[in-house]
Amino acid sequence: ILNVEQSPQSLHVQEGDSTNFTCSFPSSNFYALHWYRWETAKSPEALFVMTLNGDEKKKGRISATLNTKEGYSYLYIKGSQPEDSATYLCASANQAGTALIFGKGTTLSVSS
Amino acid sequence: DGGITQSPKYLFRKEGQNVTLSCEQNLNHDAMYWYRQDPGQGLRLIYYSQIVNDFQKGDIAEGYSVSREKKESFPLTVTSAQKNPTAFYLCASSARWSGRGDEQFFGPGTRLTVL
Repeated sequence: ILNVEQSPQSLHVQEGDSTNFTCSFPSSNFYALHWYRWETAKSPEALFVMTLNGDEKKKGRISATLNTKEGYSYLYIKGSQPEDSATYLCASANQAGTALIFGKGTTLSVSS
Repeated sequence: DGGITQSPKYLFRKEGQNVTLSCEQNLNHDAMYWYRQDPGQGLRLIYYSQIVNDFQKGDIAEGYSVSREKKESFPLTVTSAQKNPTAFYLCASSARWSGRGDEQFFGPGTRLTVL
């Protein structure tokens, strides 16, 4: 079973701060890395699906990078806003086509 | 509007009873999934179905059963054999099997409490 680790477990920032989280995954037989945002009382929503080493994707103030050789992905939020408060999940799939394995998530709290 | 619905939102069950959680999608997705979330844990896969009339056990399938008779429906039954059923249950779907990269779309979840 793949082991996907996320850090930190939680963090609290002030409005306007930029922040980043880490997702670590086994690099062998890597196929895809997913990022999801899960706001309280809502359903998780996909942010990015990344497959290529060196991939960088961006959606508004949120961006993600992928290093498949060393097995990590960073999620960056520039100028955090209170509406960015959520749990951010990453999940990894390997080349055998097994099911996604989710990390425990990073919970971000942004105060105004 | 296209999406995934789960019902009920809250469910209470007496110990020893079976209970079925509903999951319906109108996204025309082939693949559907059931996850369980416990405090401090990531999403853990219970069962998945890559296509109608087929399903596979996930990491924690013991005490659960599913069916996939229709493309849009993937109900989960929590049986009395499940030792610790109190949890939050999430259903998801994807156009194709997520192991090949397709993003998943999630329902709002069902919180099951065993009394």
